[in-house]
Amino acid sequence: QSVLTQPPSASGTPGQRVTISCSGSSSNIGSNTVNWYQQLPGTAPKLLIYSNNQRPSGVPDRFSGSKSGTSASLAISGLQSEDEADYYCAAWDDSLNGPLFGGGTKLTVL
Amino acid sequence: QVQLVESGGGVVQPGRSLRLSCAASGFTFSSYGMHWVRQAPGKGLEWVAVIWYDGSNKYYADSVKGRFTISRDNSKNTLYLQMNSLRAEDTAVYYCAREDLYCSGGSCSYYFDYWGQGTLVTVSS
Repeated sequence: QSVLTQPPSASGTPGQRVTISCSGSSSNIGSNTVNWYQQLPGTAPKLLIYSNNQRPSGVPDRFSGSKSGTSASLAISGLQSEDEADYYCAAWDDSLNGPLFGGGTKLTVL
Repeated sequence: QVQLVESGGGVVQPGRSLRLSCAASGFTFSSYGMHWVRQAPGKGLEWVAVIWYDGSNKYYADSVKGRFTISRDNSKNTLYLQMNSLRAEDTAVYYCAREDLYCSGGSCSYYFDYWGQGTLVTVSS
């Protein structure tokens, strides 16, 4: 498996709740934790969620993560225009000896 | 504050070499594993390589194994990526990233808590 599976796009209106899924296998999500990164246009990725559901200092509690089996989800509640970005899931892969990223989901705030 | 600043990118012909650098500041560089992650134009993120905090272990993505070498100089707080036999498909923005560790309930997880701004490598004749 070369990448974790994410929907290429997602959208919502301001104030709405959106979720982004991430699917993997037993060698990555199934046996390791999931991290989420946000990449605003033209900038470097930024850590959003680590260890499935932990938020770094400074990340609003509108962002939450969960994991079950070989899948994970990122939820964004109270959607805001500044949330428009690309979102990537990632999980350590035991066969790769490194992290495997999802293909990314472009979130549009309508 | 933690800063990671990449340099060394540019335009290079296929088959040639290039060395990227990542200057770290604001933290004890020698205590952290460091990674290179790349992003081809308009594409997603791809992990490239990791080096342990003391340089004792290195791992690579299959796509660069045997061509790229990751190294570090802890006395200079600098991470490197030597890229040889470059191909068009190596064209990307290359980011260096710091690896941090979170342990809870007897298990630990790794994640990238700081990223550099990236340096663009273009492989073209």
